[in-house]
Amino acid sequence: QVQLMQSGAEVKKPGASVKVSCKASGYTFTNYAVHWVRQAPGQSLEWMAWIDPANGNTRYSQHFQGRVTTTRDTSASTAYMDLSSLTSEDTAVYYCGRATSSGSYDYWGQGTLVTVSS
Amino acid sequence: DIVMTQTPLSSPVTLGQPASISCRSSQSLVHSDGNTYLSWLQQRPGQPPRLLIYKISNRLSGVPDRFSGSGAGTEFTLKISRVEAEDVGVYYCMQSTHFPRTFGQGTRVEIK
Repeated sequence: QVQLMQSGAEVKKPGASVKVSCKASGYTFTNYAVHWVRQAPGQSLEWMAWIDPANGNTRYSQHFQGRVTTTRDTSASTAYMDLSSLTSEDTAVYYCGRATSSGSYDYWGQGTLVTVSS
Repeated sequence: DIVMTQTPLSSPVTLGQPASISCRSSQSLVHSDGNTYLSWLQQRPGQPPRLLIYKISNRLSGVPDRFSGSGAGTEFTLKISRVEAEDVGVYYCMQSTHFPRTFGQGTRVEIK
């Protein structure tokens, strides 16, 4: 069965960086794009980035002003999301999602809570 | 960015009664390929979002047929024909026609 397994919760200090992983199983990793979405406490969802695991092509939300980077390791069927220069406003649950050709996310990771606190 | 506006933000419903959520986009969601990439997601408390409907009206496999989607252009609707207890949660519309992808604010469905 298709699964996206994310790395565990993180606590970071302001100014630090965080790297979240998303390991795919149950399907061919390079056949589907992976998107990253975050959700601050009590808030809606915010799209961050997209990566095509087949060729490494990426696209980012300009709202993050170059602070976000997504990469992949095809040998490990894993996508990664790096977020730098963290502030308290980056405290959120970070999700990866598998994108279908219909543009929707049919499978989601379980979420990774990132807490930024001094 | 495309702004997605949902109404209502909260919907108290009696079990077995219908519920309806509207979603309006600030620009047309018709893609140059002719498709409209509007999805509906359900998020139960403490869980990741779950895809219910894609491209306006297509139910994902396994989604009960009491969920239906409709609309076109900039106006879209999710309907639950008879609300069940397991439908409690927050519902989001999402557009995948334009970058960046954007989501509605969410509509909380709760039982009266």
